[in-house]
Amino acid sequence: DQQVKQNSPSLSVQEGRISILNCDYTNSMFDYFLWYKKYPAEGPTFLISISSIKDKNEDGRFTVFLNKSAKHLSLHIVPSQPGDSAVYFCAASGDNFNKFYFGSGTKLNVKP
Amino acid sequence: DTGVSQDPRHKITKRGQNVTFRCDPISEHNRLYWYRQTLGQGPEFLTYFQNEAQLEKSRLLSDRFSAERPKGSFSTLEIQRTEQGDSAMYLCASSHRGPQPQHFGDGTRLSIL
Repeated sequence: DQQVKQNSPSLSVQEGRISILNCDYTNSMFDYFLWYKKYPAEGPTFLISISSIKDKNEDGRFTVFLNKSAKHLSLHIVPSQPGDSAVYFCAASGDNFNKFYFGSGTKLNVKP
Repeated sequence: DTGVSQDPRHKITKRGQNVTFRCDPISEHNRLYWYRQTLGQGPEFLTYFQNEAQLEKSRLLSDRFSAERPKGSFSTLEIQRTEQGDSAMYLCASSHRGPQPQHFGDGTRLSIL
């Protein structure tokens, strides 16, 4: 049962432009959402999170938006840089944080 | 903060053998998670420890899999009688209590011959 879905396996963006990565979930009990970035041969690295009581969280070039009614979250990266090229995973958890569900990832390529 | 450490980084073994992986979390992180990741997929939850107590276990974790976290510090994941389908990257993550992000190690890649 895939409770978190990333329907775009890949995304290509020009340097300096905005990258928008999308994620959908099915479980309305999810309370905490995160985005991770992963480079080859390394573990995922935490980027940004948002709790279900908010609809937006910003950290530098990264902003996460949460639309609870649509069960949708997105990650905006602006401006995009070549070093942002990586696989991005969204993840979600209930309010006990005992278990996290991950999407299948979106590979972002930022072209110089 | 030295990060989450996993050992070994790569394990090659024959089908039917037993393997054990180790994870050293960030010190003072009381939450520890194990995940499995296969090519083209995201990390898939296996099990969760709060201190030394195993509080959550995926139904993916068959009887051949066992995990421990003695004294609430490092953790081990053992796979008995390995099968071809066990080939994957095994990731460990740790976090503080509460709504805190998990910090991942670089994983152990298991290859079954």
